[in-house]
Amino acid sequence: QKEVEQNSGPLSVPEGAIASLNCTYSDRGSQSFFWYRQYSGKSPELIMFIYSNGDKEDGRFTAQLNKASQYVSLLIRDSQPSDSATYLCAASGGSYIPTFGRGTSLIVHP
Amino acid sequence: DTGVSQNPRHKITKRGQNVTFRCDPISEHNRLYWYRQTLGQGPEFLTYFQNEAQLEKSRLLSDRFSAERPKGSFSTLEIQRTEQGDSAMYLCASSPRQGEGYTFGSGTRLTVV
Repeated sequence: QKEVEQNSGPLSVPEGAIASLNCTYSDRGSQSFFWYRQYSGKSPELIMFIYSNGDKEDGRFTAQLNKASQYVSLLIRDSQPSDSATYLCAASGGSYIPTFGRGTSLIVHP
Repeated sequence: DTGVSQNPRHKITKRGQNVTFRCDPISEHNRLYWYRQTLGQGPEFLTYFQNEAQLEKSRLLSDRFSAERPKGSFSTLEIQRTEQGDSAMYLCASSPRQGEGYTFGSGTRLTVV
């Protein structure tokens, strides 16, 4: 069974700090990896996706992928209170059907 | 096109009734997905369409659930004989090409009383 694991948190960081969110996946056939942000009561919103080993940066966000370790992470630099949300990690393989983790709750306190 | 549209936003129904939800994907997206999400959990896959073809269904999708996507445009998800365990947020997502990001609609929150 394909699984995506995330620590449910909450992860609490002070404003301006770097938040590091982690995710592991079980299916070695996974090819694409996604990070979504979900505010309470709202639907998931795509932050970024990554295919290749290494880092991918977009503004304050950096996704990191290590296929050998089956590990994906998301770094949020200069964290703001508005970043407080649940962050969902997802992985998809040849079927192009993403499997989601249960999400990590992030709290950025002033 | 402003994104993925789902209707209704909220639905309260009595146990045993049938309900139907609608999803209008982004127009150029040929892939459409239905997910279900309960509190504290990530979205769980229900079913997937490429154009009008339903390519995969989850084991979560019992015979009380049926989905259609006529003409490869909008999709409907019907739940027959609803049960309290069906209470959840039903999310629709669409995607333009293989493996690219999936855009979610606002969801339909179902409450079965």
